[in-house]
Amino acid sequence: QLVLTQSPSASASLGASVKLTCTLSRGHSTYAIAWHQQQPEKGPRYLMKLNSDGSHSKGDGIPDRFSGSSSGAERYLSISSLQSEDEADYYCQTWGTGILVFGGGTKLTVL
Amino acid sequence: QVQLVQSGAEVKKAGASVKVSCKASGYTFTGYYIHWVRQAPGQGLEWMGRINPKSGGTDFAQKFHDRVTMTRDTSISTAYMELSSLTSDDTAVYYCGRFLEYYFDYWGQGTLVTVSS
Repeated sequence: QLVLTQSPSASASLGASVKLTCTLSRGHSTYAIAWHQQQPEKGPRYLMKLNSDGSHSKGDGIPDRFSGSSSGAERYLSISSLQSEDEADYYCQTWGTGILVFGGGTKLTVL
Repeated sequence: QVQLVQSGAEVKKAGASVKVSCKASGYTFTGYYIHWVRQAPGQGLEWMGRINPKSGGTDFAQKFHDRVTMTRDTSISTAYMELSSLTSDDTAVYYCGRFLEYYFDYWGQGTLVTVSS
């Protein structure tokens, strides 16, 4: 069964860097995913697509501070030079055979 | 530029149905699937299903397959999602999204549906 697992929360200081993780379930380690950001009281926004080899492509207007990488079944979203507006929920998402899956989301707090 | 504009907030009684629209612009409507996702208060994102605007073909999540209908009107580049037999558990923000390969690349702004008993 295709499942995406995310830590419920993360925190980092203003100006620092953070790396969020999305883990694919056993047997699905080659799947590509996408990362989406949801700021408080707003709808989701597409950040990037991320392949199993770490190559990624960002959406329109996404700053260079956002990047992606991969290792085995893990997919990462890295954010550098954290700003207050980066405080948000981050969801990973992928598509299996006839089913779309979201991770549970990680709530990022910028201290 | 690509835009998905959804219809406004709705308040419905339990047992009723709701129909949400998603008007696309800035691209060829029939070239991309439209998916529907919902988010209950304080919860994560939940996939409901998808429609192929070109053929009208649909696929639904098992949870919703007997209560959801997805349609489209290609003449006005608009997709619709109708959910029937509403309960308080259906109170949520409903989003449409344009789908490319395996992911959403554009989202609608969301439509709040409130179900009252």
